[in-house]
Amino acid sequence: SQTIHQWPATLVQPVGSPLSLECTVEGTSNPNLYWYRQAAGRGLQLLFYSVGIGQISSEVPQNLSASRPQDRQFILSSKKLLLSDSGFYLCAWGGRMNTEAFFGQGTRLTVV
Amino acid sequence: AQSVTQLDSQVPVFEEAPVELRCNYSSSVSVYLFWYVQYPNQGLQLLLKYLSGSTLVKGINGFEAEFNKSQTSFHLRKPSVHISDTAEYFCAVSDGRSQGNLIFGKGTKLSVKP
Repeated sequence: SQTIHQWPATLVQPVGSPLSLECTVEGTSNPNLYWYRQAAGRGLQLLFYSVGIGQISSEVPQNLSASRPQDRQFILSSKKLLLSDSGFYLCAWGGRMNTEAFFGQGTRLTVV
Repeated sequence: AQSVTQLDSQVPVFEEAPVELRCNYSSSVSVYLFWYVQYPNQGLQLLLKYLSGSTLVKGINGFEAEFNKSQTSFHLRKPSVHISDTAEYFCAVSDGRSQGNLIFGKGTKLSVKP
């Protein structure tokens, strides 16, 4: 069966520090991969999605970037965090025809 | 382009009462529709999905939803809720393209009171 791992679960970082959140998927190959951010009262905002290694689509211009160095690995990064980067970050994977998406447990990021 | 509107941001209800969470979508092509549930500080869990076929879809935890193409709706229902159903519920749509992604509504917070 397929599983998705996302870490860390919580993170407190100072303004201006770098960020690296990692997500890996097991039990499937060539998945679509997604990073979402959830801010209080604002639902889910799609940040990035990837349909293959090295292929990243950005939905919202921002202080973040994403990379997919391996088929089942998706990384969310920032060189310098802003206070506005605080939120709940969710990684997800889906099949090629988007019949559904499966989510990790999320990372609560607080920038102080 | 597709969009999803969840008409209620919060729905309070008493335990054992029925509940309906409303979802409307817009799309120029055929769509797949989904409902997800999120418990506090957790990821999203798929409740049910409509891909094709019967318009009444049954999911986990006693939830069901009905796809209404003419009204572009996909409302979620449960005949009798429990305290444990307190969570946030998200409706989502996909056009099924391999290069696409799921579009989510802003969520509805269901609060079940004893």
